[in-house]
Amino acid sequence: EVQLVESGGGLVQPGGSLRLSCAASGFTFSSYSMNWVRQAPGKGLEWVSYISSSTSTIYYADSVKGRFTISRDNAKNSLYLQMNSLRGEDTAVYYCARTSYMDVWGKGTTVTVSS
Amino acid sequence: DVVMTQSPLSLPVTLGQPASISCRSSQSLVHSDGNTYLNWFQQRPGQSPRRLIYKVSNRDSGVPDRFSGSGSGTDFTLKITRVEAEDVGVYYCMQGTHWPKGFGQGTKVEIK
Repeated sequence: EVQLVESGGGLVQPGGSLRLSCAASGFTFSSYSMNWVRQAPGKGLEWVSYISSSTSTIYYADSVKGRFTISRDNAKNSLYLQMNSLRGEDTAVYYCARTSYMDVWGKGTTVTVSS
Repeated sequence: DVVMTQSPLSLPVTLGQPASISCRSSQSLVHSDGNTYLNWFQQRPGQSPRRLIYKVSNRDSGVPDRFSGSGSGTDFTLKITRVEAEDVGVYYCMQGTHWPKGFGQGTKVEIK
């Protein structure tokens, strides 16, 4: 079964850091590009970042550029999102989604930025 | 950036009746490769999003055939022929042609 499982969310103070992980299974992870998408409480979906299968291409939303870093470890079938200088507006459920066209999603991990 | 605009934002529907959601983009979504990367997602209450339709009109595996997508250029539509109780949720269009990728605001489908 194709599966994505996010982890690493939690409560962090403004200005703090957090590293999210997404564990992939049931498919050849190294062959697929990946995305992070977030959803603030009661709000819609916002694309955050993209990484190609080989890591040669990376994109970020303007709202996180310079603060977030996407990476992957194909040997560990894992995707990561390093989040620094966190702000209140980064509070959201963070999903990982497979491919540019988001055919498979995880259940999400919740990040709360608050003092 | 490409702006995706959905309407209506709230859609009360009677069970068994049809429903239609419009999605308009601020620029053409025709890619240089000839494809149009317009997807539709369903998010049921308390669940993560699920893709229903890709490249305008292609249903994902397991998606009931009461769901259909159509459109071209900047104007797209998701239709449900006969709404069932399990269709309650929020529906999002998403363009994958241009960077950054963008979602519509979402349309909440509820039963009258």
